[in-house]
Amino acid sequence: SYELTQPPSVSVSPGQTASITCSGDKLGDKYACWYQQKPGQSPVLVIYQDSKRPSGIPERFSGSNSGNTATLTISGTQAMDEADYYCQAWDSSKGVFGTGTKVTVL
Amino acid sequence: QVQLVQSGAEVKKPGASVKVSCKASGYTFTSYDINWVRQATGQGLEWMGWMNPNSGNTGYAQKFQGRVTMTRNTSISTAYMELSSLRSEDTAVYYCARNSHQLLSYWGQGTLVTVSS
Repeated sequence: SYELTQPPSVSVSPGQTASITCSGDKLGDKYACWYQQKPGQSPVLVIYQDSKRPSGIPERFSGSNSGNTATLTISGTQAMDEADYYCQAWDSSKGVFGTGTKVTVL
Repeated sequence: QVQLVQSGAEVKKPGASVKVSCKASGYTFTSYDINWVRQATGQGLEWMGWMNPNSGNTGYAQKFQGRVTMTRNTSISTAYMELSSLRSEDTAVYYCARNSHQLLSYWGQGTLVTVSS
């Protein structure tokens, strides 16, 4: 079955840039999206179709996808961005989530 | 506004079944697939399957084939996910989410299912 792998954790200082990778076989041939989940809350879509932001998502969130790796970038990271982030893609009409990355803002 | 409101927490014994509901409002229920995703405590998101409320067609992750059934009642705009032969590893928060062009843009609040003897 298709798998998406993320680093377990990423640490970033306030105002700096955080990058989260998501690796999967030929992931660049699929659309990747990213979800943010804060403790006790439901996930929120922050990036779709590799690099598009839904309405209401700050411009500091951006994404890219090429080859085997999709990347979520948070520029000028704020304390409120501390959360778990999951990449997600579709493989043969089945949803697949990445393993998840905890972003800590130090 | 779009809302998905799920049923309350459940406690079940091993071997039993659980049925979680997801009531949709703020849009035409039959126009968008409903997906189900679960999350064990401290673990990641796990996709379970989808259901088309218009046709009733479904698609399940292989892991849950034979144990999960997704249905709907269009008269009350409600989707259901039933999981059978429960075991302790099924203890998790179960979410429904609306799928629009492969985007899970709206999520329910989650339903905690605890499997314990």
